[in-house]
Amino acid sequence: GAGVSQSPSNKVTEKGKDVELRCDPISGHTALYWYRQSLGQGLEFLIYFQGNSAPDKSGLPSDRFSAERTGGSVSTLTIQRTQQEDSAVYLCASSSRAGLNTEAFFGQGTRLTVV
Amino acid sequence: DQQVKQNSPSLSVQEGRISILNCDYTNSMFDYFLWYKKYPAEGPTFLISISSIKDKNEDGRFTVFLNKSAKHLSLHIVPSQPGDSAVYFCAAGKGGSNYKLTFGKGTLLTVNP
Repeated sequence: GAGVSQSPSNKVTEKGKDVELRCDPISGHTALYWYRQSLGQGLEFLIYFQGNSAPDKSGLPSDRFSAERTGGSVSTLTIQRTQQEDSAVYLCASSSRAGLNTEAFFGQGTRLTVV
Repeated sequence: DQQVKQNSPSLSVQEGRISILNCDYTNSMFDYFLWYKKYPAEGPTFLISISSIKDKNEDGRFTVFLNKSAKHLSLHIVPSQPGDSAVYFCAAGKGGSNYKLTFGKGTLLTVNP
């Protein structure tokens, strides 16, 4: 595709359920980032993948959060036993080189609402 | 503990005038700063960046100024256009990291025709 694609665009889930958020990066981009934006807050770093290197998971807020990137392409962010504080817009970005600057593109995000 | 602060949630300017968006930071380890623009229902898009070895970077109508002693940066848009109306985020990285960024809460800029 032409840009970073995220699915679903909206997700409403009950507290305690697991959710999976998907990110399809731009073809050929080796770097992939997950951020989230809670209501009234700035973007918060979650995890970073670069090529075959071990991901930087230092931003994941708890062990209920995990992410993987299969085949260096599609990434899935999984949240287990969702809590209301997990409600946010989850944003994925990709770039051909490391860095959230000129060559990085964000998807439109997945709005997650935990009720 | 907010390390990057955008104290003005909104700003309104007339078309053709200058827009000045401000950002303050508290962590002296930050050495790379970026500005992003975000339209509703879209992801943020990179606008301009500056490293701590510089105090100014210019790209067309956009200029970012960095005052390290004051831990302050600003984005100037001249002249402002209605299409510039968006939320602007300031972000900072450290140790040369430009992927693990700390963002401010954003400032909504409205440029009136």
